[in-house]
Amino acid sequence: AQSVTQLGSHVSVSEGALVLLRCNYSSSVPPYLFWYVQYPNQGLQLLLKYTSAATLVKGINGFEAEFKKSETSFHLTKPSAHMSDAAEYFCAVSDRGRTSGTYKYIFGTGTRLKVLA
Amino acid sequence: GAVVSQHPSRVICKSGTSVKIECRSLDFQATTMFWYRQFPKQSLMLMATSNEGSKATYEQGVEKDKFLINHASLTLSTLTVTSAHPEDSSFYICSARPSALTDDSPLHFGNGTRLTVT
Repeated sequence: AQSVTQLGSHVSVSEGALVLLRCNYSSSVPPYLFWYVQYPNQGLQLLLKYTSAATLVKGINGFEAEFKKSETSFHLTKPSAHMSDAAEYFCAVSDRGRTSGTYKYIFGTGTRLKVLA
Repeated sequence: GAVVSQHPSRVICKSGTSVKIECRSLDFQATTMFWYRQFPKQSLMLMATSNEGSKATYEQGVEKDKFLINHASLTLSTLTVTSAHPEDSSFYICSARPSALTDDSPLHFGNGTRLTVT
């Protein structure tokens, strides 16, 4: 069975500081991995995705993530935090339908990012 | 880009009534749509997979008679919360994946519906 673990339900960084949001996954097949961002009372917006091409994935808003198979990790980073980055971030894994039969996503519990002025 | 429209964004209803939430893919066809429920400050919980032209597949513990799903066309899925109770109050989010794209295409999400049952 697939699972996603996000370490740290809350992360606070100063404006301009490095952002690091952690995600570890478990999957019996090569996974697809995603990071989504959610602003209050809104749906989820895709930040970036890993689909077995380049291990370093660049996304929108200056975010990037690196797939490390040996560590089963897909941590999200941004070199310099901006106030507008404050939101909830979700990591998700998909088995591409190989085990579930559909492209079912399993989401982590989320990390709330707070950016301090 | 792929846009998913969810309506209404917010609804308040009385206990015992039913509420219908619509999820539309505006610029793509979606054979499959997904319905999630999100409790405050928690992650998304998959409720069911909506399949165009066939019955929805419900996750374990989700009452199919309580949460009726209809996927009548390739661009529309509806979730009806029947005989709503205060414990059904939650944030419901739908998502869809373009049918025609490759298997690495991501899900696209609606903006969610805040349901409050009084």
